[in-house]
Amino acid sequence: DTEVTQTPKHLVMGMTNKKSLKCEQHMGHRAMYWYKQKAKKPPELMFVYSYEKLSINESVPSRFSPECPNSSLLNLHLHALQPEDSALYLCASSQVLVVDTQYFGPGTRLTVL
Amino acid sequence: AQSVTQLDSQVPVFEEAPVELRCNYSSSVSVYLFWYVQYPNQGLQLLLKYLSGSTLVKSINGFEAEFNKSQTSFHLRKPSVHISDTAEYFCAVSVSQGAQKLVFGQGTRLTINP
Repeated sequence: DTEVTQTPKHLVMGMTNKKSLKCEQHMGHRAMYWYKQKAKKPPELMFVYSYEKLSINESVPSRFSPECPNSSLLNLHLHALQPEDSALYLCASSQVLVVDTQYFGPGTRLTVL
Repeated sequence: AQSVTQLDSQVPVFEEAPVELRCNYSSSVSVYLFWYVQYPNQGLQLLLKYLSGSTLVKSINGFEAEFNKSQTSFHLRKPSVHISDTAEYFCAVSVSQGAQKLVFGQGTRLTINP
């Protein structure tokens, strides 16, 4: 099974809302990633978790709060977002100690009103 | 710092014609290269990768890419394209920092015309 699942597929939220994006994988990968992708642009790395610990934060605003409750799950908590945060949010996973494929989920399409 | 340049933002070709999508990288350390494909409204799927060994790598659906260290390139080719190949193609280089950091090129939109 090489599947990464993400929920919800679509999310519309106001600037004062609090919402969460969820990601799950069962490949035994110990690295998990959040990317943000704007239309017609490549994915931009936001966060990397390695062995359930945050290892990379690409200077992401604090209104995005990641969480890795266990080795299979990754959450992204959203609060007080801006309309420019509207994008496709992609989750990915990979092995840690060797360079190899990152497996991507289908993404959550987020619209901030 | 590692970077990737995809020289063509859009490539239109006719069905059954050959295609080449160009990718150049810069890296001062070991190089690990990937091509990912993104179909409309979907996530990214791995097309092929170069980690080590043979410099010519192939995918199951007829694409191939050749790692050329002297020209710092990893161009993607297919001898005969199909309508279903219409997608966005991203070249990426991996920076290993424990967990990996993928640096993507800007992408090439491949459009197949009948």
